[in-house]
Amino acid sequence: DGGITQSPKYLFRKEGQNVTLSCEQNLNHDAMYWYRQDPGQGLRLIYYSQIVNDFQKGDIAEGYSVSREKKESFPLTVTSAQKNPTAFYLCASSIGTSRSDTGELFFGEGSRLTVL
Amino acid sequence: EDKVVQSPLSLVVHEGDTVTLNCSYEVTNFRSLLWYKQEKKAPTFLFMLTSSGIEKKSGRLSSILDKKELFSILNITATQTGDSAVYLCAYRRGNTPLVFGKGTRLSVIA
Repeated sequence: DGGITQSPKYLFRKEGQNVTLSCEQNLNHDAMYWYRQDPGQGLRLIYYSQIVNDFQKGDIAEGYSVSREKKESFPLTVTSAQKNPTAFYLCASSIGTSRSDTGELFFGEGSRLTVL
Repeated sequence: EDKVVQSPLSLVVHEGDTVTLNCSYEVTNFRSLLWYKQEKKAPTFLFMLTSSGIEKKSGRLSSILDKKELFSILNITATQTGDSAVYLCAYRRGNTPLVFGKGTRLSVIA
């Protein structure tokens, strides 16, 4: 079945450590996104990529990094520079930026990161 | 600055009640407004409203877009415990990514 797979589902890390969250999609979508969700805050955009080998910062990119070497994959690294990394991270994809793209996002199941 | 505001932030109702969730937006170059339901993890798509499609309905759920007053409502009739979730409103401006509101947490009790 087509969809978006995020891993790991749960992750614990110590302060000062970098951690990478995986996101893979087999929907053949051009665009991929990372959102962060905190209680009572809705979803906030971290990074997005509309095409392979290109990505843009979202509203809260500081302390995060991404890469888009393959169409199917958009990993997110939470670096030690991120001051408050404990959160629920959601990866999503959409068809792309063509006129036919409705903007509808398809989400993965999320990764919950806890910093100890 | 563009923004989207959802109200109420939380709501508790009894089974069978009808609820109305609100989403107001102030955005330039508006393209579409979307509603999502998030039960535990992944948000699932409910409706998309645009200038050419301002009213949608699916079973007990319906939504309208008021382009003049810049708001949308999501209506749920005859609520069930399975409707308990966070409901997210998001807008799209041009070709940019969706911007989400803070959500409304709905709890339906038997």
